[in-house]
Amino acid sequence: EVQLVESGGVVVQPGGSLRLSCAASGFTFDDYTMHWVRQAPGKGLEWVSLISWDGGSTYYADSVKGRFTISRDNSKNSLYLQMNSLRTEDTALYYCAKDLVVHLGVYAFDYWGQGTLVTVSS
Amino acid sequence: QSALTQPASVSGSPGQSITISCTGTSSDVGSYNLVSWYQQHPGKAPKLMIYEGSKRPSGVSNRFSGSKSGNTASLTISGLQAEDEADYYCCSYAGSSTTVVFGGGTKLTVL
Repeated sequence: EVQLVESGGVVVQPGGSLRLSCAASGFTFDDYTMHWVRQAPGKGLEWVSLISWDGGSTYYADSVKGRFTISRDNSKNSLYLQMNSLRTEDTALYYCAKDLVVHLGVYAFDYWGQGTLVTVSS
Repeated sequence: QSALTQPASVSGSPGQSITISCTGTSSDVGSYNLVSWYQQHPGKAPKLMIYEGSKRPSGVSNRFSGSKSGNTASLTISGLQAEDEADYYCCSYAGSSTTVVFGGGTKLTVL
């Protein structure tokens, strides 16, 4: 059974930093592109970032570019999101999600975690 | 990155069919056959319903279908059921600089 379990969400002050983690199981982690998607309270989904199966390629939404860094450790079946210079508008439930197709992917997310809540507030 | 445009809400009666539109541009929906659709019930994670514009993942009812014309993708739900009441989001690949964009979401009400 595929499982994605996010952790690391807390309340942090504006300008602060945070590292989210996503533990994956039930599939061959290093075969798949992985994504972070966020959802502000009461709002829609917003794609945040992706990392290729081998970690060689990373992409970011303009709203987080230069502040967030995605990474993965395939030996630990884990995905990470380092979040720096946090803003109040970064407050959201952060989901990690698996791409449907191996390697290059099709930008479709077939498994999602339960999300971890990041609150940026003074 | 600009979000794709979806109607805020749609409604239908049980047994009817409804269609949710998702309008993008020639830089996203119009250029790639990489549109996906997600269903999200309150307090739950999204569920993939359609990928690559019209393909259904295993386990998704054939009452759900997807299509595309030009810069607009569509999700059609036939034989509406009470459990279809949820929020629906479209998503598209938008090239290597923008990468992925979501629609603003559509709330489906089953009357």
